[in-house]
Amino acid sequence: EAQVTQNPRYLITVTGKKLTVTCSQNMNHEYMSWYRQDPGLGLRQIYYSMNVEVTDKGDVPEGYKVSRKEKRNFPLILESPSPNQTSLYFCASSLSGSGSQKTQYFGPGTRLLVL
Amino acid sequence: GQNIDQPTEMTATEGAIVQINCTYQTSGFNGLFWYQQHAGEAPTFLSYNVLDGLEEKGRFSSFLSRSKGYSYLLLKELQMKDSASYLCVLSGGSYIPTFGRGTSLIVHP
Repeated sequence: EAQVTQNPRYLITVTGKKLTVTCSQNMNHEYMSWYRQDPGLGLRQIYYSMNVEVTDKGDVPEGYKVSRKEKRNFPLILESPSPNQTSLYFCASSLSGSGSQKTQYFGPGTRLLVL
Repeated sequence: GQNIDQPTEMTATEGAIVQINCTYQTSGFNGLFWYQQHAGEAPTFLSYNVLDGLEEKGRFSSFLSRSKGYSYLLLKELQMKDSASYLCVLSGGSYIPTFGRGTSLIVHP
């Protein structure tokens, strides 16, 4: 089944404790991205990757890191989480970055609470 | 930059037709997406418009007018399961799409 998976789905952590949220897709998509969704603000892009070893900042990259060592995986790293990073996070992938191939397929989401 | 406006919330009756509007200001874009998102779940693709006009797909249709900076999503024969948030998304030349804040649609019996 074609899908995007994220782990963990739920996470409670404390300020400053490094964490990684994994994202994997099995559709051989070139483009992957991370979003956070907060009430009243909609989806905001954190980072995106156009292909292996090619990543770039989205609208709200501060406090986050990503890597793309393999085409299928795109982990999101919070080196020192803070309470303002409490949010619902979505990973997404698309075939490429042009036209209708920009249709994004989203993972199920990771709900993060930073105390 | 790009800016998208959608109504925050709409209500409608089961079996009815509802139109969710999206207006935008942008210097240029390639196409416009609509996604559906049920509460606590991932957004899922509904439609993509690149040319002006109406794209019909079953009970859902989407319309785009580039000259007016306007799009709408039309949902016919509403069902309770259509209660969700509907996201208007501009896809520009960059790799950063612009998401509207979404319209929460409540369908009641």
